[in-house]
This record gives sequence, structure tokens and C-alpha cells, in this order.
Amino acid sequence: DSGVTQTPKHLITATGQRVTLRCSPRSGDLSVYWYQQSLDQGLQFLIHYYNGEERAKGNILERFSAQQFPDLHSELNLSSLELGDSALYFCASSVRGSGGNTGELFFGEGSRLTVL
Amino acid sequence: AQKITQTQPGMFVQEKEAVTLDCTYDTSDQSYGLFWYKQPSSGEMIFLIYQGSYDEQNATEGRYSLNFQKARKSANLVISASQLGDSAMYFCAMRGTLSNSGYALNFGKGTSLLVTP
Repeated sequence: DSGVTQTPKHLITATGQRVTLRCSPRSGDLSVYWYQQSLDQGLQFLIHYYNGEERAKGNILERFSAQQFPDLHSELNLSSLELGDSALYFCASSVRGSGGNTGELFFGEGSRLTVL
Repeated sequence: AQKITQTQPGMFVQEKEAVTLDCTYDTSDQSYGLFWYKQPSSGEMIFLIYQGSYDEQNATEGRYSLNFQKARKSANLVISASQLGDSAMYFCAMRGTLSNSGYALNFGKGTSLLVTP
């Protein structure tokens, strides 16, 4: 158990819909990262938040947005869903948000999104 | 930009044998970190081992060791005494200080390892 909690574990929805994925980082971790894993694209970094502030953006579509709340939990919002958005979405946390190269990411179990 | 390459889509190894999973990387950073993660069929990502670019010794964690050759830009994972439970996808990842991803990890495509009895 990594200590990172993601909900829901599975989600099935239709094209055009909007969903919200939730992540609670490990106790004490200030950084939250979101990743998308699909068969064709592999593990793609989406966005990084540190202590409530956006720190870096990766390959995140404009239809997707995220935020980190004062209690450090984070939500990833996916809107106008398309078939190609079907993937496993991971949240990961770490203590560090800046400085240094040590510190692995601790991953949640992922939220598997299926868009029909 | 950083790039991680894992050239072996799939590998087989017999139980109790050692196996090496290849990883090469490209970066213009002078300071960076290299990571290996395991993803079993259940889906979770499990951290295995870390190597810093300035670490003089190769990292080891139990049956896992990292064969770090900085000049060749390779960071191969060696699993000794393979067990059936080692069957999984293995991902090499890198963090640098100059990448556009900030401090996120950039992952390779992964290698699927199957351990046979």
C-alpha cells in the first residue's frame, strides 16, 4: 500500500460526458502528479501541483483540468470525453516539489476510465 | 528534452535465473535521477530502485541492482534469482532539472517480463 488513495477505481461513461477523478496523497506529501497510461501512448505526465499551486504541465489536453485543494487532495476533471480518453489515470505523490533529484513518486492504484 | 528508451518489449527468464532489462536515456541535464518501477497485472506502480547521476556506486535493493554506465547513458535493471512473482511490466524513468516536466518522472515504454517455472 503506497498510501496514495484514488477514487473511483473504475468508471464507465459515455462520450461527451464529464468526470472527476480524486486523489489523496500520502500523509505529509505536498506534491501531486497526474499521469495517463494508455496502450498506445504509454505513461504520459499530465500535470504537477505542489502545495496547491500548479508547477508543471505535460501532455494535458485543454479539455482536462486539475486542482489541488488546501487539504492537499487533488482532482482531475475530464470533460467532453472521447473514446480515446479511455485509459488508466494515476495520481502520484512525493514530499519534494522543488530542488534535488531524489525522492521517488508513490503511485495510487489508478482510476480506470472507459468511455463508450 | 529527455528521452528514455527501453528496446525490449518482452523478455522471458527461467525461475531462479538472473535477467537484465535495458534502459538508455538521453538528457542535457548534468544532474538527474533514474528510477525503475514495476507494474504487475493488477496495475499498481511499485518503486524498485533509484540511481542519482552523481552516485559513484551502482544502486542495489535486495534482488534488484542497477547497472549504471553514465558514459553510455544506460541504466539497466538486473534482477537476480528471478521469482514467478517478478512477472510484470518494468518501466525505466528519469527526472531531470531542466525538463519541461519540472520534477515529474518521464517514463520509457516498458518491458514485459515473464518468469517461467
